[in-house]
Amino acid sequence: EVQLVESGGGLVQPGGSLRLSCAASGFTVSSNYMSWVRQAPGKGLEWVSVIYSGGSTYYADSVKGRFTISRHNSKNTLYLQMNSLRAEDTAVYYCARALWFGELSLGYWGQGTLVTVSS
Amino acid sequence: AIWMTQSPSLLSASTGDRVTISCRMSQGISSYLAWYQQKPGKAPELLIYAASTLQSGVPSRFSGSGSGTDFTLTISCLQSEDFATYYCQQYYSFPYTFGQGTKLEIK
Repeated sequence: EVQLVESGGGLVQPGGSLRLSCAASGFTVSSNYMSWVRQAPGKGLEWVSVIYSGGSTYYADSVKGRFTISRHNSKNTLYLQMNSLRAEDTAVYYCARALWFGELSLGYWGQGTLVTVSS
Repeated sequence: AIWMTQSPSLLSASTGDRVTISCRMSQGISSYLAWYQQKPGKAPELLIYAASTLQSGVPSRFSGSGSGTDFTLTISCLQSEDFATYYCQQYYSFPYTFGQGTKLEIK
């Protein structure tokens, strides 16, 4: 069974950093397309980043240069390093897996982790 | 970037109704479109991928259609568990944008 469990969220001051983790089970992270999607309180979904099985990475313009997606193959874990955080980065962050190789819709989601950027 | 217009933003309906939600793109995306359902406090769930393919386990009252720039999600006979928020998402080109969402509420 595919499972995704996010962790690492919390309260951080503007300008600070945080690293989110997404522990996967039931499949191999490095063989799949993995994404981060966020949702600000009371707002809609916003795609943040993706890492392809080959290692290529892509970002939303709103986080480019500040966020870095990566993975640790032996830990089967996805990460999102978030630097220079702003109040508008406050959101629930979900990790998600593509349905299968070649079909990039998000078929599997974690429960989310809340990041609050505030002084 | 591809701009998406999802409508309506709020939809009031009754159990048993047939409803449609629209998603329009600023440029063609072939069939690289997905529909998700989200209930309060929960992660989104995939309903439809490749514009019209029903995800495994999703009831057949849900259907998707369209290609290019205009797409539609139809729920043929609303059940109580269908009252939720629905999002479209294009995955044709980066950034993989979501629509603004449609909240389906009980009339």
